[in-house]
Amino acid sequence: GAGVSQTPSNKVTEKGKYVELRCDPISGHTALYWYRQSLGQGPEFLIYFQGTGAADDSGLPNDRFFAVRPEGSVSTLKIQRTERGDSAVYLCASSPGVASGGPETQYFGPGTRLLVL
Amino acid sequence: AQSVAQPEDQVNVAEGNPLTVKCTYSVSGNPYLFWYVQYPNRGLQFLLKYITGDNLVKGSYGFEAEFNKSQTSFHLKKPSALVSDSALYFCAVRGFSGYALNFGKGTSLLVTP
Repeated sequence: GAGVSQTPSNKVTEKGKYVELRCDPISGHTALYWYRQSLGQGPEFLIYFQGTGAADDSGLPNDRFFAVRPEGSVSTLKIQRTERGDSAVYLCASSPGVASGGPETQYFGPGTRLLVL
Repeated sequence: AQSVAQPEDQVNVAEGNPLTVKCTYSVSGNPYLFWYVQYPNRGLQFLLKYITGDNLVKGSYGFEAEFNKSQTSFHLKKPSALVSDSALYFCAVRGFSGYALNFGKGTSLLVTP
């Protein structure tokens, strides 16, 4: 597609349930990022993938959060035993992933709005 | 650690007037600075970035930003505001190493007719 896409656009779940959020990056982009945006705040970094591997997962808040990117394209963010505090907009971004490691522009998807009741 | 501060929660400007949205940064070494805009229920859209070189960076939709190293600032500007510029604006910084963007809290811009 032309841009980063994320599904679902909205997700309502109950406390304690498991959820999966999907991200389709821009075609050909090897770098993929997940951010979380709470109400009234700027996005906060969660995890960065280069290809299939998680190059930096320092932003994941705890071990209930996990992300995969098995084929180096689509990524899934998984949240176990959801808590009300997990309610936020989860944003995915991608960039070309040029080997030089320069400050590439990250292109964001529309986000998934997660509400934990 | 790197961070940015956006001191204004909201900026109000009349259409046709110049606008400025402020951003200051803190980073070790040379900063990479970005501005994004967010419209309601939509993702972040890239406006411009500073990497090196000319302190005045021109971006999308007529926006520009001025990098000031001595004041550690990267203010977003536009000579003549449009009502359609009303949105949430985020400044972000990335350090020399690493890949994560560190965002400010955002500034809500309201342009009135």
